[in-house]
Amino acid sequence: KAGVTQTPRYLIKTRGQQVTLSCSPISGHRSVSWYQQTPGQGLQFLFEYFSETQRNKGNFPGRFSGRQFSNSRSEMNVSTLELGDSALYLCASNPGTVQETQYFGPGTRLLVL
Amino acid sequence: DQQVKQNSPSLSVQEGRISILNCDYTNSMFDYFLWYKKYPAEGPTFLISISSIKDKNEDGRFTVFLNKSAKHLSLHIVPSQPGDSAVYFCAARAQKLVFGQGTRLTINP
Repeated sequence: KAGVTQTPRYLIKTRGQQVTLSCSPISGHRSVSWYQQTPGQGLQFLFEYFSETQRNKGNFPGRFSGRQFSNSRSEMNVSTLELGDSALYLCASNPGTVQETQYFGPGTRLLVL
Repeated sequence: DQQVKQNSPSLSVQEGRISILNCDYTNSMFDYFLWYKKYPAEGPTFLISISSIKDKNEDGRFTVFLNKSAKHLSLHIVPSQPGDSAVYFCAARAQKLVFGQGTRLTINP
């Protein structure tokens, strides 16, 4: 089976712009979660989608949003980018029946100038 | 509010010796704990997990210990190998996974 794929891998944006990141889960996986990784902060949970519905949400401002499509692919959007949004954004999928084992993609590294 | 903490940002161990990575948590509602390993330019990969009803789980060279009264878990790697050099994240589950900040492990030949 192919692993979790994320596009693009690298992205440079300027403050105030918006960005959309894409994630394709492992075939058959219905749950997709998004995380932000910054130095010293570890992985911060953004949100989780299951069957096109947001099932869990972390403590991020409303500028961060997401959605999931009927084929389980997911997109994450960040509007009005700030310098502090520079990070590695990781997507993870699992079958959806249990939460414990997440399979991560390689991430999208976003740099905001 | 950091519910899962890895207080050592880095650890250096001699090849063949034991590596011990530590993790503390504050939320007693966590029912499942996991360790992930991350190489540069790759996403984290699942390593080993433990349920809150157990105090030890072993998988080859990797053993995770859970001390619920101390709200502490640790990952032991014996013997350590150069390929173990990576960043290790502990994670705990309530309704979602909460990750620690990570510990960079370096195995020296």
